[in-house]
Formats: sequence, structure tokens, C-alpha cells
Amino acid sequence: LPVLTQPPSASALLGASIKLTCTLSSEHSTYTVEWYQQRPGRSPQYIMTVKSDGTHIKGDGIPDRFLGSSSGADRYLTFSNLQSDDEAEYHCGESHTIDGQVGWVFGGGTKLTVL
Amino acid sequence: EVQLVESGGGLVQVGGSRRLSCAASAFTFSSYWMSWVRQAPGKGLEWVANINQDGSEKYYVDPVKGRFTISRDNAKKSLYLQMSSLRVEDTAVYYCASHSHSNYFDYWGQGTLVIVSS
Repeated sequence: LPVLTQPPSASALLGASIKLTCTLSSEHSTYTVEWYQQRPGRSPQYIMTVKSDGTHIKGDGIPDRFLGSSSGADRYLTFSNLQSDDEAEYHCGESHTIDGQVGWVFGGGTKLTVL
Repeated sequence: EVQLVESGGGLVQVGGSRRLSCAASAFTFSSYWMSWVRQAPGKGLEWVANINQDGSEKYYVDPVKGRFTISRDNAKKSLYLQMSSLRVEDTAVYYCASHSHSNYFDYWGQGTLVIVSS
């Protein structure tokens, strides 16, 4: 099964930029991932899909300052002009069909703190 | 506005059973795959199970296979998760979520907390 690895925490100053990383296991390095935002005490919300070629498709209402990109097995979610409202947990996930079995795997999540 | 509302959570003993429900509104429920996703306290998300539009396809994560059963009633616009032989490690907030046609989870409920106590 694919494994998605995320650093547990990240922080940046209000108004700054930051790039969050989700690393796929090497044998699954071409997989597409989705990013979800989960504010404290809330349900997750879809942000965008990032493909291995770096193209990304954003969900409705996601600001232009959220961008997706890719390099090798890494999938990135980049924020510019960080806002206090961006403080949340960010999860990456992927879907797969292996031996006829459908499944989803998530990374451990990155808690983003806006200083 | 699309709404998914889970219910059925609570405190249950190890080895016990619990049935979770998810009621959908403002949503063509019968047109979408649906999933249950859980989140243990302070942990990340874990996909649990999903079901296709007519209930003919169901998939489960390995730790719950043989213990959990996902089902749906399209007439009632409801999704269910029957959980049995519960373990302490099943303690989590359980979310129901719909799959967009591009297969990401586009709508989520508010979650229902299941605590399995020894």
C-alpha cells in the first residue's frame, strides 16, 4: 500500500509564504494526492488535487494564494500571504485500486501555526 | 446547502457493537459513492470503508474487515456503519463523506465520537 509522509508541524509568520510537503512512498511516486484543510474542532475540507506532473485542480472557493506543485515523490501545498485563518491541520490523501481492492490512504497531517 | 449529519456515537465496551448513521440532505445521495473516515484523538485521518451508488460494491480498510459493515438506504438518503467486536483502537470521531465525481471527498459531516472502553 502507498505510504504518505507529512512533517507533524510547520509554522510561519503572518503574511509570509510556506510550502507544506507530502511525500509518497517511492514505488508510488507517480500517484495523485488530494489536500484537505481541517480547522480546529471542524471537519476536513477539500482544498485541491495535485498530480505528479505538478498540475493542480482547486476546489470551489479556494483562494488564488493556495498553489499545488510536485517534484518526484513530493506533493506540495504552498500558501502565500499567510492569514490567521490558515492556521489548521493539513492532510494529504490518495486513492488507489490494488488487486481489485479500492482504498484510500492519508498522511499523518501537518499542523500549521501562523505566528 | 448539502448536509451530512452523523449520529449513533457514544461509549461502548470492548467487544460491543454500535451502529452509526449518516443522513444526507440537499444532495442527490443515490448518485454518489460514500465513505466513512475516522480520526482517533490527536491523530490523522483514516479511511474506513466505502460503498458505491447501489450498494453492490463495498471496500474496507484491513483493520476493520470482518467487523464493520457499510450499507446505505437511498430511499432514506442514509448511510450506515455497523460496527461489532469493537476494540479500544476503534475509538475515534467517525465522519461520513461523499465522493465527488473526481473521487475526492467533497462533503463531510460534523462527525460522531465513538469511545470504546475496557
